[in-house]
Amino acid sequence: ETGVTQSPTHLIKTRGQQVTLRCSSQSGHNTVSWYQQALGQGPQFIFQYYREEENGRGNFPPRFSGLQFPNYSSELNVNALELDDSALYLCAMSSGTDTQYFGPGTRLTVL
Amino acid sequence: AQKITQTQPGMFVQEKEAVTLDCTYDTSDPSYGLFWYKQPSSGEMIFLIYQGSYDQQNATEGRYSLNFQKARKSANLVISASQLGDSAMYFCAMSYNAGNMLTFGGGTRLMVKP
Repeated sequence: ETGVTQSPTHLIKTRGQQVTLRCSSQSGHNTVSWYQQALGQGPQFIFQYYREEENGRGNFPPRFSGLQFPNYSSELNVNALELDDSALYLCAMSSGTDTQYFGPGTRLTVL
Repeated sequence: AQKITQTQPGMFVQEKEAVTLDCTYDTSDPSYGLFWYKQPSSGEMIFLIYQGSYDQQNATEGRYSLNFQKARKSANLVISASQLGDSAMYFCAMSYNAGNMLTFGGGTRLMVKP
């Protein structure tokens, strides 16, 4: 058990809609990273938040945005959903540069 | 740019035998970290082992060891005494940008035979 939780577990949306995914930790880790894992592939880094500010970003368009709250929980927002956004979205929490501990993921299906 | 390559899409191993999963990496950063994660069918990424680029000794964690060959840019995972519960996807990853943003390889599916 990593203590990292994500909600919802599964989600079905239609093209053009917006979605919000959530991540939290019981262990007080202050850094949160989000990854997208398409079927049959390794996870790809979306962005990272530290002290409520974006600390790094991968090769994802601006319609992928995030927030980190004072309690270190986080949201990933995706606007104007596309079919290719269908994937497992993984949240990982860490303290500084320590090992990242992942949550169980949210599986998003875009129809 | 950082790159992780896992050349074995799938592997079989007999229960109780050892298995080596290959990982090669490419980076121009002098300081980096190498990680292995296990992903069962449930989807959660489970941390297994970490090796820092300046670590002199190979990392070990229980049945897991990391065969780090810096000159060859390889970081192979060795699992000793395989168990049926070891059947899963295994991902090699590297941290960069003086932080811990991870670049992952494509993964290796390990299947343990009874």
